[in-house]
Amino acid sequence: DVKVTQSSRYLVKRTGEKVFLECVQDMDHENMFWYRQDPGLGLRLIYFSYDVKMKEKGDIPEGYSVSREKKERFSLILESASTNQTSMYLCASRPTTGLQYEQYFGPGTRLTVT
Amino acid sequence: GQQLNQSPQSMFIQEGEDVSMNCTSSSIFNTWLWYKQDPGEGPVLLIALYKAGELTSNGRLTAQFGITRKDSFLNISASIPSDVGIYFCAGQRPNSNSGYALNFGKGTSLLVTP
Repeated sequence: DVKVTQSSRYLVKRTGEKVFLECVQDMDHENMFWYRQDPGLGLRLIYFSYDVKMKEKGDIPEGYSVSREKKERFSLILESASTNQTSMYLCASRPTTGLQYEQYFGPGTRLTVT
Repeated sequence: GQQLNQSPQSMFIQEGEDVSMNCTSSSIFNTWLWYKQDPGEGPVLLIALYKAGELTSNGRLTAQFGITRKDSFLNISASIPSDVGIYFCAGQRPNSNSGYALNFGKGTSLLVTP
């Protein structure tokens, strides 16, 4: 089974702090994604990466950055956390295999910024 | 990215009833996926559809890829309490400039009473 793990299930940070959210997958997938999920807004793509050291902006990249130094790990960074970044953050991965687009999600990190 | 129009937004049903939900878009999609998210967890893939007109089952779940490629349906037969959760549709547009990223619906929240 594909396993995507996220470093924390719950996180509470203060405004202005630098926050790191870590995601690791164990299936040698090339593509990894970060989403945020908010009530009434669904899942919105923040950043994705299709290879080590490669990254692409998604729909809402402002206030975030990412790092992919190893294939299995994709980090989301909040340079200076703000209260409007309180949300559920979901990491996903998928292989580059033919025309299959299934993404596999981690359990999520619920971040609260106070 | 384009949001998919998913309906209904929520459903409150009795155990044993059948459930139908759908997703529509103004654009053509070449892949439709259906996910379920349990409270506090990440989405889990239920069914993947790759061809227009395709009808696929997974236990009590049946999903169809619309002939126009602009919609998809998910049916759950004989619902049980563990069907409770949020169901998301997701699609991959051909020639998307977001690489392998998916577009998501806002979800259908399903509540089942015993």
